[in-house]
Amino acid sequence: DGGITQSPKYLFRKEGQNVTLSCEQNLNHDAMYWYRQDPGQGLRLIYYSQIVNDFQKGDIAEGYSVSREKKESFPLTVTSAQKNPTAFYLCASSINGMGSGFRVTQYFGPGTRLTVL
Amino acid sequence: KQEVTQIPAALSVPEGENLVLNCSFTDSAIYNLQWFRQDPGKGLTSLLLIQSSQREQTSGRLNASLDKSSGRSTLYIAASQPGDSATYLCAVEDNQGGKLIFGQGTELSVKP
Repeated sequence: DGGITQSPKYLFRKEGQNVTLSCEQNLNHDAMYWYRQDPGQGLRLIYYSQIVNDFQKGDIAEGYSVSREKKESFPLTVTSAQKNPTAFYLCASSINGMGSGFRVTQYFGPGTRLTVL
Repeated sequence: KQEVTQIPAALSVPEGENLVLNCSFTDSAIYNLQWFRQDPGKGLTSLLLIQSSQREQTSGRLNASLDKSSGRSTLYIAASQPGDSATYLCAVEDNQGGKLIFGQGTELSVKP
């Protein structure tokens, strides 16, 4: 059963803590993405990776970090430098990366809701 | 800078009605436009993708149109059902790097 999994579903963070959100896909997709969604707003791109061992900043990368050591995995760390991290975080993947000339849709995971205590 | 706007923010209709959701974008230089569905607390599911050279796409009771020159897209839902209740988001893929730019979404409620 192919798809994208995110864990945990709910995450609570204390002030000053770093936390890591997991994203795994078994779709054999090259590209993976992290988005942030705030209430009543659309999704905003945090980071994306078009190939293993390479990633690029999106529109709101400050206070976040990522790694792409394996094709299947793209974890997101929310650092203490992110001043307002409470949000819904969505991971996505696509068979090809952006600007590849091959227009395909992105497939989304179920999301992780992060709350700062 | 590309901006995507969806109006209305929320819509409530009785079951069986046909309805139209609107999406507008400021820059016509796009590769494609997509419509997604999001159930509460869940991820997004792609409904329809319209390439920039196309005018419309259909899937079952859904029909999406694209008028690139005027910067508008509509999602038409025929014979709405309570199961259609969800938030619908549109997103354009810009041709300056291919990022998806999302609208804020329209929250649809279909009453039995």
